[in-house]
Amino acid sequence: SQQGEEDPQALSIQEGENATMNCSYKTSINNLQWYRQNSGRGLVHLILIRSNEREKHSGRLRVTLDTSKKSSSLLITASRAADTASYFCATDGATNKLIFGTGTLLAVQP
Amino acid sequence: DTAVSQTPKYLVTQMGNDKSIKCEQNLGHDTMYWYKQDSKKFLKIMFSYNNKELIINETVPNRFSPKSPDKAHLNLHINSLELGDSAVYFCASSRQARLNYGYTFGSGTRLTVV
Repeated sequence: SQQGEEDPQALSIQEGENATMNCSYKTSINNLQWYRQNSGRGLVHLILIRSNEREKHSGRLRVTLDTSKKSSSLLITASRAADTASYFCATDGATNKLIFGTGTLLAVQP
Repeated sequence: DTAVSQTPKYLVTQMGNDKSIKCEQNLGHDTMYWYKQDSKKFLKIMFSYNNKELIINETVPNRFSPKSPDKAHLNLHINSLELGDSAVYFCASSRQARLNYGYTFGSGTRLTVV
């Protein structure tokens, strides 16, 4: 069974706007990761946040983690058309496996 | 230079055939994985090898058999292909089996069974 669920399933914004995606998971975790998948391509690792961290930044990306609510958010600031992709969260869950969520499809309109 | 490379990129085959997908990584990673992504983009882990040793074997039909001749290669052989096997198969690698590192994915193999 999948560990994480992203919300919303799809998001459409204009270039320059910020995009926020949320991820909820079910079991305790050691870390949570976010990945991007462009259409027809493999997944690209974006950022990893450990369970003892609350916020992490990487360029235009900001990830937060709330272990009490079992949720994480990914914020992309000043979005660009090239950010159009599916975004997945992934957690290690209770087993030694990286389990992916259902993904958010982000469309950035130029 | 591609870090994780899969071949072929596309595979169209008839039901009942046997096919293989090859994967190679040049990152020096110890652990490799096979994931299956269905038409709804749901990714499910199938297998994981750490230094040629099988460490994860999900509930996958035994028609699927992974083989790791060395830690840089992980191939997937599928016997008696069925329509439901149609999906995109991704190979990935990570520095270690512990989940403290991001995975590097290949570009995928789109398998279509007709």
